[in-house]
Amino acid sequence: GAVVSQHPSRVICKSGTSVKIECRSLDFQATTMFWYRQFPKQSLMLMATSNEGSKATYEQGVEKDKFLINHASLTLSTLTVTSAHPEDSSFYICSARDGGSWEKLFFGSGTQLSVL
Amino acid sequence: TQLLEQSPQFLSIQEGENLTVYCNSSSVFSSLQWYRQEPGEGPVLLVTVVTGGEVKKLKRLTFQFGDARKDSSLHITAAQPGDTGLYLCAGRIIQGAQKLVFGQGTRLTINP
Repeated sequence: GAVVSQHPSRVICKSGTSVKIECRSLDFQATTMFWYRQFPKQSLMLMATSNEGSKATYEQGVEKDKFLINHASLTLSTLTVTSAHPEDSSFYICSARDGGSWEKLFFGSGTQLSVL
Repeated sequence: TQLLEQSPQFLSIQEGENLTVYCNSSSVFSSLQWYRQEPGEGPVLLVTVVTGGEVKKLKRLTFQFGDARKDSSLHITAAQPGDTGLYLCAGRIIQGAQKLVFGQGTRLTINP
């Protein structure tokens, strides 16, 4: 079964609203989670690294005030797309690492965001 | 600039044929992973290669890590329609913060 749960799987919102996406590790503690963005038929682009108890590390070109990341517990990270616009429409995927091993990196099932 | 160049980006072949997907970079990676992703789902890890020159087999799939740890290949023997999907290579950067960067992906279609 899934070890990383991402919710919601699909969201449609009006332009200007904010959307929160949750990423939970189900049976392990994840000190580090990652958020990716994927456009149709393209690869995953790393947006930010979410560290439990500290500020997220954003990749170059990603607006931290636009994409708010909170990693308040060892099993939950959230990504909030603030004041969403149609260009923010995309498939967002989180991943969580179980311990220090990169072989234990599990991905959520993704969230399809559509901003009208 | 794409750190990992994956080729081909699209491939459509007949059932039973063999194929190879390549993942190349000018950077050295501490490890490289291959994932498979279905539409509307997150990627699922197929294999991790760590040592230069390493070869791993997963049934009809053979993965190889280049000697210099800059490139990798995925070879599928006797492809089946069930192999259809998006294949992604991802490299772990050695320097700086630990993170995984993905290639552009290869969208593979196996026709019956």
